[in-house]
Amino acid sequence: DTEVTQTPKHLVMGMTNKKSLKCEQHMGHRAMYWYKQKAKKPPELMFVYSYEKLSINESVPSRFSPECPNSSLLNLHLHALQPEDSALYLCASSQALGHRKETQYFGPGTRLLVL
Amino acid sequence: AQKITQTQPGMFVQEKEAVTLDCTYDTSDQSYGLFWYKQPSSGEMIFLIYQGSYDEQNATEGRYSLNFQKARKSANLVISASQLGDSAMYFCAMRAGNQFYFGTGTSLTVIP
Repeated sequence: DTEVTQTPKHLVMGMTNKKSLKCEQHMGHRAMYWYKQKAKKPPELMFVYSYEKLSINESVPSRFSPECPNSSLLNLHLHALQPEDSALYLCASSQALGHRKETQYFGPGTRLLVL
Repeated sequence: AQKITQTQPGMFVQEKEAVTLDCTYDTSDQSYGLFWYKQPSSGEMIFLIYQGSYDEQNATEGRYSLNFQKARKSANLVISASQLGDSAMYFCAMRAGNQFYFGTGTSLTVIP
């Protein structure tokens, strides 16, 4: 089973709202990732968690706040977003961080619209 | 510098024909992995195929094969017997060290 689930599938929020994106995997993977993807562009890495610790933060604005409550769950907390943050947010997981054979498996994504 | 290059923004192929999507990469690492992903309009990134830098044989997964030419630093995806459901964006990616790099993608359209 290579399933990564994400909720919600779609989210519309105002610039003053607080919302959270959720990601879950039950493959025993110890690395989890958040990506942001604009239309017709490749995914851009935002955060990487390895063994539930934040390992990589790609200079993402503080209005995005990741959280890894346990090895299966990854959250992305959103606050005071801007319209340019509207995008597809993809979660991925892999067995561990850094091995060349590590395949990332992606969830279906959350389409976020900020008004 | 590590990078992935996909030079074909869009490709068309007739149904049942084979198509090759190009990918070149640049890395100074000796150990790296190369991946292809498919992204339909629904948005999900679907893993297709993997090739390791030390693998001597080209990877194959069903109708997908990876034409790996290490000296030329290319990792082209070959899709045989194209189907209408193959219409999607295709991304080439590379893992080197702790980093994962994506190419800019190729939009494939299969014509009935």
